Amino acid sequence: AQTVTQSQPEMSVQEAETVTLSCTYDTSESNYYLFWYKQPPSRQMILVIRQEAYKQQNATENRFSVNFQKAAKSFSLKISDSQLGDTAMYFCAYAQTTSGTYKYIFGTGTRLKVLA
Amino acid sequence: GAGVSQSPSNKVTEKGKDVELRCDPISGHTALYWYRQSLGQGLEFLIYFQGNSAPDKSGLPSDRFSAERTGGSVSTLTIQRTQQEDSAVYLCASSPSGIYGYTFGSGTRLTVV
Repeated sequence: AQTVTQSQPEMSVQEAETVTLSCTYDTSESNYYLFWYKQPPSRQMILVIRQEAYKQQNATENRFSVNFQKAAKSFSLKISDSQLGDTAMYFCAYAQTTSGTYKYIFGTGTRLKVLA
Repeated sequence: GAGVSQSPSNKVTEKGKDVELRCDPISGHTALYWYRQSLGQGLEFLIYFQGNSAPDKSGLPSDRFSAERTGGSVSTLTIQRTQQEDSAVYLCASSPSGIYGYTFGSGTRLTVV
């Protein structure tokens, strides 16, 4: 069965610095999708970035980028120039594509605090 | 509406009572998902609706949990005879296709006392 592991329950970073959140997953599939979601105190889950497994190029969205290592089954999120508004829970998710249902399997999250 | 709407935002109920949680997805999104988020835990898949297909109920934790989606739009998650372990945030999400990511609602925080 597919699993997603986020080994850092909590992290902190100084404003304007760079931080990397780690995520590993386990799957026997060759084609799949990976996501990072942000959940601020408002509870609203917000899609940060998306990666297609068949693409070798790492996805980027402004200050957010990923380091996708398919062989190592690793999908880390790098946040550059951290801002106070980045303070949130961050969840890594794997999209299970069996039968086209696209159920997502989420990690347990990393609580990130950006310090002024 | 522009986003996924969930109601109520918060619900406190007595143990043994039934509760209904509502989700209004983004218009045109054929896929609708329910997840449960317990304190300190990740998101646990509950149920998935796709168009007119039979729902995937494989994540429902017990037969006290049920959900329906009327007219391919609004969905209701019902928990019968609530227990304290049902206390959690229940999140609804919709998507035109899961490969592009879900759009989540703000969730319903359920507290069973």
